[in-house]
Amino acid sequence: ETGVTQTPRHLVMGMTNKKSLKCEQHLGHNAMYWYKQSAKKPLELMFVYNFKEQTENNSVPSRFSPECPNSSHLFLHLHTLQPEDSALYLCASSQDDQPQHFGDGTRLSIL
Amino acid sequence: SQQGEEDPQALSIQEGENATMNCSYKTSINNLQWYRQNSGRGLVHLILIRSNEREKHSGRLRVTLDTSKKSSSLLITASRAADTASYFCATAKNDYKLSFGAGTTVTVRA
Repeated sequence: ETGVTQTPRHLVMGMTNKKSLKCEQHLGHNAMYWYKQSAKKPLELMFVYNFKEQTENNSVPSRFSPECPNSSHLFLHLHTLQPEDSALYLCASSQDDQPQHFGDGTRLSIL
Repeated sequence: SQQGEEDPQALSIQEGENATMNCSYKTSINNLQWYRQNSGRGLVHLILIRSNEREKHSGRLRVTLDTSKKSSSLLITASRAADTASYFCATAKNDYKLSFGAGTTVTVRA
């Protein structure tokens, strides 16, 4: 148990669907992150939130829309995704620049 | 952008042997971190070494950092089947962002 919970663990969706990924951290951290992990590639940082404010948008396409309603919850809203968006999406949290704690990810498949 | 690059990409060893993997990076860093990822799970932080440190130990793990060569190594001694996983290095500058490499996949054979 890492203290970071992601739901759902698996998601299959069509390109025209709208879905959301959820992340919740129980560690009292002030920073949360979304990463994309594709096979044989480095983790790609997508978004960073610090005290609920977005501090980083790493040139992510607008079909990915993050939301951070409070410092414990982070969402990633998905719409009109492409097949190349199939990947493992990982959420992480940290206290300031301390080591990050990761959830187990959502395995996303786009049909 | 990718900062760390691990070498080798894959490593297969016998239980009880040592496993060594390397990480190279391109620009100056504040610290370098190693993470482990078991199949189907998230990443777990193993060890952090700061730019003014040269070596750090944690249990069976030993990490070195050579800032002049912009490289780090992770040594796992007396490997066990449970050490089978992917290992990633990540570099940090002066903010919250980490830049990860593509990882080394380690298989420990019984």
